[in-house]
Amino acid sequence: DVKVTQSSRYLVKRTGEKVFLECVQDMDHENMFWYRQDPGLGLRLIYFSYDVKMKEKGDIPEGYSVSREKKERFSLILESASTNQTSMYLCASRRQGETGELFFGEGSRLTVL
Amino acid sequence: GNSVTQMEGPVTLSEEAFLTINCTYTATGYPSLFWYVQYPGEGLQLLLKATKADDKGSNKGFEATYRKETTSFHLEKGSVQVSDSAVYFCALTSTGGGNKLTFGTGTQLKVEL
Repeated sequence: DVKVTQSSRYLVKRTGEKVFLECVQDMDHENMFWYRQDPGLGLRLIYFSYDVKMKEKGDIPEGYSVSREKKERFSLILESASTNQTSMYLCASRRQGETGELFFGEGSRLTVL
Repeated sequence: GNSVTQMEGPVTLSEEAFLTINCTYTATGYPSLFWYVQYPGEGLQLLLKATKADDKGSNKGFEATYRKETTSFHLEKGSVQVSDSAVYFCALTSTGGGNKLTFGTGTQLKVEL
């Protein structure tokens, strides 16, 4: 069974803390994505990676960075968390060349106090 | 740029009622169109897709037809069940958009007995 696993389902952090959200996929997919999901705004793309050590900014990259040192792992980093980063974060992966089907993790709900 | 507009929710229906969730789009290039579903507490999963005009995608009793003339991809089901309660997202990807998925804001469906 194919799987995208996000390390934490729920996190509570304080303003200014550094936050790491980890995502691992077991499908040997080249492409990986980080979205945030907010009510009324749908899913917005933060960063994506076409392959190992490659990354590109999505629509809302400010305040975030990413790391892709291994093909199966894509990390989202909040260098200094702020309250407006309280959200649901979704990781997804996709095989290179397949434009449509993304496989999503279950999400990480982050609360910044 | 690319954009997707969905009807606002929540949509509340009785079991066995007919469902329509409207979706319209604007896109550069030649888009492929998708419906994703998010069940409570889970990540998104692909429900159906259509890759060219007049194609009909179908799965689990849901259908959607790619209408280029009206730039629409409305989701329909003839008889909904309580287990269909979820959030439904319309999405598109196009070569003009760098093959990234653009999502609508989502429509929550509640089906009651």
